[in-house]
Amino acid sequence: AQTVTQSQPEMSVQEAETVTLSCTYDTSESDYYLFWYKQPPSRQMILVIRQEAYKQQNATENRFSVNFQKAAKSFSLKISDSQLGDAAMYFCAYRTSGSARQLTFGSGTQLTVLP
Amino acid sequence: GAVVSQHPSRVICKSGTSVKIECRSLDFQATTMFWYRQFPKQSLMLMATSNEGSKATYEQGVEKDKFLINHASLTLSTLTVTSAHPEDSSFYICSAREAAGSGYTFGSGTRLTVV
Repeated sequence: AQTVTQSQPEMSVQEAETVTLSCTYDTSESDYYLFWYKQPPSRQMILVIRQEAYKQQNATENRFSVNFQKAAKSFSLKISDSQLGDAAMYFCAYRTSGSARQLTFGSGTQLTVLP
Repeated sequence: GAVVSQHPSRVICKSGTSVKIECRSLDFQATTMFWYRQFPKQSLMLMATSNEGSKATYEQGVEKDKFLINHASLTLSTLTVTSAHPEDSSFYICSAREAAGSGYTFGSGTRLTVV
């Protein structure tokens, strides 16, 4: 079974600075998808970014980018120019290649943005 | 974009009663629905996966007779917590997937409190 590990329960960053959230995963599959989701206090899950394992290029969405290291099974999220609205719980997730295609989530990292 | 409407957002019920949570896809057909449970400051734990017109597949340790899932149409899935007890108090989130290769759309969650 796939597992997703987020080793940083809490992180903080100064407004306008850059922060990197770590995520590692364990799988025997070669084809899969990885995601970062944001859960603000409203608890609505919001997709931040996704990465296809077959793509070597790291995904980027405005201020959010990933460092995908397939051999190391690492998938970190970099947030540049942090804003107060970025404060949230961030979950790394893995999607199986099986027919069910369910997501497996990491334990989450609570990000605080300091003004 | 795709929207999943989840109701109710909050519900308080007496121990021993049943509660129904609805998730409705507003502008797409949800071929697969995932139901999660989330405890405070913890990750999302998959409870079950349902495909339209089929019986739900429950994760290990989830009582299928307690958590009844119905996915009778492509736009509506329901989770019924039967004979609820205080330990069933939690945050429940649904997530819909439209078709192979598409993303996941999350409902806004339901906070269930059993007294």
